[in-house]
Amino acid sequence: GENVEQHPSTLSVQEGDSAVIKCTYSDSASNYFPWYKQELGKRPQLIIDIRSNVGEKKDQRIAVTLNKTAKHFSLHITETQPEDSAVYFCAAASGGSYIPTFGRGTSLIVHP
Amino acid sequence: DADVTQTPRNRITKTGKRIMLECSQTKGHDRMYWYRQDPGLGLRLIYYSFDVKDINKGEISDGYSVSRQAQAKFSLSLESAIPNQTALYFCATRGVGETQYFGPGTRLLVL
Repeated sequence: GENVEQHPSTLSVQEGDSAVIKCTYSDSASNYFPWYKQELGKRPQLIIDIRSNVGEKKDQRIAVTLNKTAKHFSLHITETQPEDSAVYFCAAASGGSYIPTFGRGTSLIVHP
Repeated sequence: DADVTQTPRNRITKTGKRIMLECSQTKGHDRMYWYRQDPGLGLRLIYYSFDVKDINKGEISDGYSVSRQAQAKFSLSLESAIPNQTALYFCATRGVGETQYFGPGTRLLVL
């Protein structure tokens, strides 16, 4: 089955800095890669996703890049703000059945 | 997001007790999932269902069972709860697209 590794487990940055979270996956059949944000005490919510036919996708301050050859994808957050503090999860899934495998999460702390 | 609801939100039970966690959705989605979240372990899939007659085991189904009573309802049961089932449990749904929508979670403590 699919295995998703996520690093780092904790990331501490100063407000205004950039943050990068990296994930690797094992199954070359995976073709959909969502990222979820989970604020303290809340449910995970999708913030951005990317499909395997695209190398990069941006949405305001967040972007995701995908390297299919190396089987890794990354989340980039620019100009971080304290409200970006949360746990971020990456996931990988194959189209059709869509049974996502999640990474273990990255706790992002943005210091004012 | 009130479209996916879970009851109860918090539950304390004792070892050996049978408990049921319930999930309801008004999104009209066919696909429903149960996940367990433990600190540092991410979200792990317990069971999933693609329609009322379809039930599938996830990676950690031992000790759990599910029931899909209707398109909108998917329940998770712990037949005989044990302390290592203490965790945060999430229900999720998915429609035609890939996006999963999570419920608010049920925090379970097994003493």
